[in-house]
Amino acid sequence: GENVEQHPSTLSVQEGDSAVIKCTYSDSASNYFPWYKQELGKGPQLIIDIRSNVGEKKDQRIAVTLNKTAKHFSLHITETQPEDSAVYFCAAISKIGGNEKLTFGTGTRLTIIP
Amino acid sequence: GAGVSQTPSNKVTEKGKYVELRCDPISGHTALYWYRQSLGQGPEFLIYFQGTGAADDSGLPNDRFFAVRPEGSVSTLKIQRTERGDSAVYLCASSSTLVNEQFFGPGTRLTVL
Repeated sequence: GENVEQHPSTLSVQEGDSAVIKCTYSDSASNYFPWYKQELGKGPQLIIDIRSNVGEKKDQRIAVTLNKTAKHFSLHITETQPEDSAVYFCAAISKIGGNEKLTFGTGTRLTIIP
Repeated sequence: GAGVSQTPSNKVTEKGKYVELRCDPISGHTALYWYRQSLGQGPEFLIYFQGTGAADDSGLPNDRFFAVRPEGSVSTLKIQRTERGDSAVYLCASSSTLVNEQFFGPGTRLTVL
């Protein structure tokens, strides 16, 4: 099955600087890669996603890049703000028998230092 | 409602007891997923429904776990003879069949004493 690895496990950046989180996946058939933000005591919130037919997608301060050859994808947050502090998870869709389930990375705890 | 809702938000039970966790998906979403999240980990897949049927239950850890979705909307995750190792946050997500985006509920924190 699919295996997703995520780095780093913790990341601290100064407010206003950029943050980058990286993930690799194992199943070359995976074709959908979402990123979720999870705040304490809440469920994961979808913040951006990318499909395998594009290499980059941007939404305001958030961007995601995908390298299918190397099987890795990254989340980029620019001009970080205190409210960006949270745990971020990458994921990949694994298709088994036509059904789909998300396989998640282990998460990155991002702390923005004011 | 606007999002996925889950009840109860917290459940404390004793080892060996039976529990039911409820998920109410986004209206119109035909796909429903259950995940389990242990402390400091990412969510792990348990089971996936397409309509009323369980399309993939490969993530259920053993036969103490069972889920139903009798009318294709609300789903109930049932755990028999709970064990301390079952303690976790149980997350529900739903999606439209037309797209892949899965939207999560707030979760139910289950504590087995």
